Amino acid sequence: DTAVSQTPKYLVTQMGNDKSIKCEQNLGHDTMYWYKQDSKKFLKIMFSYNNKELIINETVPNRFSPKSPDKAHLNLHINSLELGDSAVYFCASGPGSFYGCTFGSGTRLTVV
Amino acid sequence: KQEVTQIPAALSVPEGENLVLNCSFTDSAIYNLQWFRQDPGKGLTSLLLIQSSQREQTSGRLNASLDKSSGRSTLYIAASQPGDSATYLCAVNSPSGTDKLIFGTGTRLQVFP
Repeated sequence: DTAVSQTPKYLVTQMGNDKSIKCEQNLGHDTMYWYKQDSKKFLKIMFSYNNKELIINETVPNRFSPKSPDKAHLNLHINSLELGDSAVYFCASGPGSFYGCTFGSGTRLTVV
Repeated sequence: KQEVTQIPAALSVPEGENLVLNCSFTDSAIYNLQWFRQDPGKGLTSLLLIQSSQREQTSGRLNASLDKSSGRSTLYIAASQPGDSATYLCAVNSPSGTDKLIFGTGTRLQVFP
């Protein structure tokens, strides 16, 4: 029943590792997003995809690589993890600019 | 560049009070404004969405208003309850050529019995 689901919910890993976060939505939305919430709880967009096409890349380091195999999935792969990557990553989806977004429950990434 | 600010940053009130949370944005050219609730360690729950052509939206004890010309939105919570304790975030979707939400810094609300 979950509209936007992310896995895993928690991720603890060492510096230098590579990790992936998966996201799936069953709402039929064309657009999917990744947002990052930092330690001060500020939310900021990272990427958006519309029907598998990259629309927004908000000056994110190229260690972060989103991949959208189809419009219902948007995964986030992170190479060479750094301490500063520790944050909560939220996936979201929406039907378009005039409508609201639905968010997943977040993935708390801790890099040690 | 669109900037979104929320005041107050934190609020602590006794149960039963009526509350007003404020959100202001610098660029009045928006598609819509959305209010979210975030519980500690949890995701974002959408509360209300106001389109740019609308003045307000209501859901139960919540009422959100939008004054685009002055760049302001308020979230009114009637008869607050301890279960309303959470962080409330507002976000605007601006027609800047990209489709993204720009979030405010949030208001952390605590309602005590």
